[in-house]
Amino acid sequence: SSVLTQPPSVSVAPGKTANFSCGGNNIGSRSVHWYQQKAGQAPVLVIYYDRDRPSGIPERISGSGSGETATLTISRVEAGDEADYYCQVWDSTRGHWVFGGGTKLTVL
Amino acid sequence: EVQLVESGGGLVKPGGSLRLSCAASGFSVTTYRMNWVRQAPGQGLEWVSSMSGSRASIYYADSVKGRFTISRDGAKNSLFLQMNSLRAEDTAVYYCARDIVMNYRNPSPFDFWGQGTLVTVSS
Repeated sequence: SSVLTQPPSVSVAPGKTANFSCGGNNIGSRSVHWYQQKAGQAPVLVIYYDRDRPSGIPERISGSGSGETATLTISRVEAGDEADYYCQVWDSTRGHWVFGGGTKLTVL
Repeated sequence: EVQLVESGGGLVKPGGSLRLSCAASGFSVTTYRMNWVRQAPGQGLEWVSSMSGSRASIYYADSVKGRFTISRDGAKNSLFLQMNSLRAEDTAVYYCARDIVMNYRNPSPFDFWGQGTLVTVSS
């Protein structure tokens, strides 16, 4: 079964770069999608199929992957980026969507 | 403009039933796979169920299989989740969400979400 591991928290100063990791079995062979969820709001898709951005998502948000880890990167972090970030993959063997536990971004 | 509006949440006793609705506008639920995702208080996202636009493929999380049923009504352009044998651990905000790719045979990520409806299971 798929289990996606994300660190519980990341802290970064404004203007710096935040990296969010997502690890799991066979993640390198799966497409990874990322969501941003601000407090009290519904999630928003920010990266899909590893590195594509939906319309309206700024270019300073990007996705990448290497081996058994996928990474979401936010450059030039702003206070408005404070949110929880979740990774997601489709487990075709089980016919299940799997979400990581989420990483809370704190902007110092 | 695409919109999803959930309704039907509320307080229910353990063992009880509830039916959630998700009214869609700006697109047809018969042409997109639709999903239910829940979030327990203070917790992360948990996928619950998905159904293709044609209703040919339906999936459930292990935690709800046999208790929850996903369905849709094309005429009402709505998605539903019938929840039976509810447990305290089903307490959560329930979101409906649309796949990003239309009429795709494989599940794709979710580009539009509703604002959610709260289900509380408690005696």
